[in-house]
Amino acid sequence: KNEVEQSPQNLTAQEGEFITINCSYSVGISALHWLQQHPGGGIVSLFMLSSGKKKHGRLIATINIQEKHSSLHITASHPRDSAVYICAVGLGNEKLTFGTGTRLTIIP
Amino acid sequence: ETGVTQTPRHLVMGMTNKKSLKCEQHLGHNAMYWYKQSAKKPLELMFVYNFKEQTENNSVPSRFSPECPNSSHLFLHLHTLQPEDSALYLCASSQVGRQGRETQYFGPGTRLLVL
Repeated sequence: KNEVEQSPQNLTAQEGEFITINCSYSVGISALHWLQQHPGGGIVSLFMLSSGKKKHGRLIATINIQEKHSSLHITASHPRDSAVYICAVGLGNEKLTFGTGTRLTIIP
Repeated sequence: ETGVTQTPRHLVMGMTNKKSLKCEQHLGHNAMYWYKQSAKKPLELMFVYNFKEQTENNSVPSRFSPECPNSSHLFLHLHTLQPEDSALYLCASSQVGRQGRETQYFGPGTRLLVL
């Protein structure tokens, strides 16, 4: 069992819908990261959080340390949001442990 | 040029070839990483260099040989690879501090196909 589990694995939605991607982890962490990977491979870091909530544009990330759970929300989704979203946890050193990713497709 | 760059972007090699992947970071970071991304699997950490010293070798076969000549450059030397080594190889860098919460910045990756 992977230490980081994401759901759903695949998500298809219509443009404009509110999107939620979930991440659960089983170990104590120092921080949780949300990453975006576009077709072609490049990965961009979206958020790093260790408590509470962060917002950047239409993206919102929340974390509940007690429940070992984080969510990534996208409001007013757009086809350009189509990508793989990856959750990763940091264990207090420079290493990250990654989930398998959620493939999001937004249909115009 | 900014960020993390990787060359080549695509590589096809035979099992008897020797090739090298190159990564360069222009962010002034002190740690660099090699990751392997295979289809349907999470990113796998291969190697970590912190202040040019290798701090992690995640049970990687010896046919993969990393080299970090300075804090800005990282190489992955490849020899006698197997077809199952075909994957996307990603380089990343970060500025490591005491709390281990640093953001890693990724390169675009090298897509490797071993025939």
